[in-house]
Amino acid sequence: GESVGLHLPTLSVQEGDNSIINCAYSNSASDYFIWYKQESGKGPQFIIDIRSNMDKRQGQRVTVLLNKTVKHLSLQIAATQPGDSAVYFCAENILNQGGKLIFGQGTELSVKP
Amino acid sequence: DAGVTQSPTHLIKTRGQQVTLRCSPKSGHDTVSWYQQALGQGPQFIFQYYEEEERQRGNFPDRFSGHQFPNYSSELNVNALLLGDSALYLCASSLIGKSTDTQYFGPGTRLTVL
Repeated sequence: GESVGLHLPTLSVQEGDNSIINCAYSNSASDYFIWYKQESGKGPQFIIDIRSNMDKRQGQRVTVLLNKTVKHLSLQIAATQPGDSAVYFCAENILNQGGKLIFGQGTELSVKP
Repeated sequence: DAGVTQSPTHLIKTRGQQVTLRCSPKSGHDTVSWYQQALGQGPQFIFQYYEEEERQRGNFPDRFSGHQFPNYSSELNVNALLLGDSALYLCASSLIGKSTDTQYFGPGTRLTVL
């Protein structure tokens, strides 16, 4: 069935280190992927997205990598800061077939000072 | 530029009651999607509204219904509430026609059913 899963439910890193959050998806027809950050008591906040015709996209301190061969997505956060502590979700969508986003369970990132 | 807003912030209901949640989309957006997020889980798609019609629906019973108004705002209605309906209800808005249709979320409404 449809699913977007995450490899690790929790991730703890030292402030200043780089963080890598992984995600596996099962629907090979998905062609658009988004990473969201959700802080406690708040709604998901858009971080970065990538279309299936790309394998890498960079933002400010964040990079998303897409490997369609193994249906794997990752989010890299450079120089992780305490403010990066949150739950991170990947979501997938099939463009031009409606707006349904399929989310995984999430990875909780904890940054130690 | 106002983002997505939702009301109320919190709500407590009892089993069997009905509830209405409200959402105003981000300025310039014309599409509203609703999601249910149980504690410790990722959001689950309920449905999406565009041009005042339900465009797509997830695996939720008919007790969940919605509406979109001419100003693009939306309501989510849940009838005959069950304990399992307790969750964070998220509204997301987007703009149909953009190549990626990125959805931006509001802060959510926390519904507790007793």
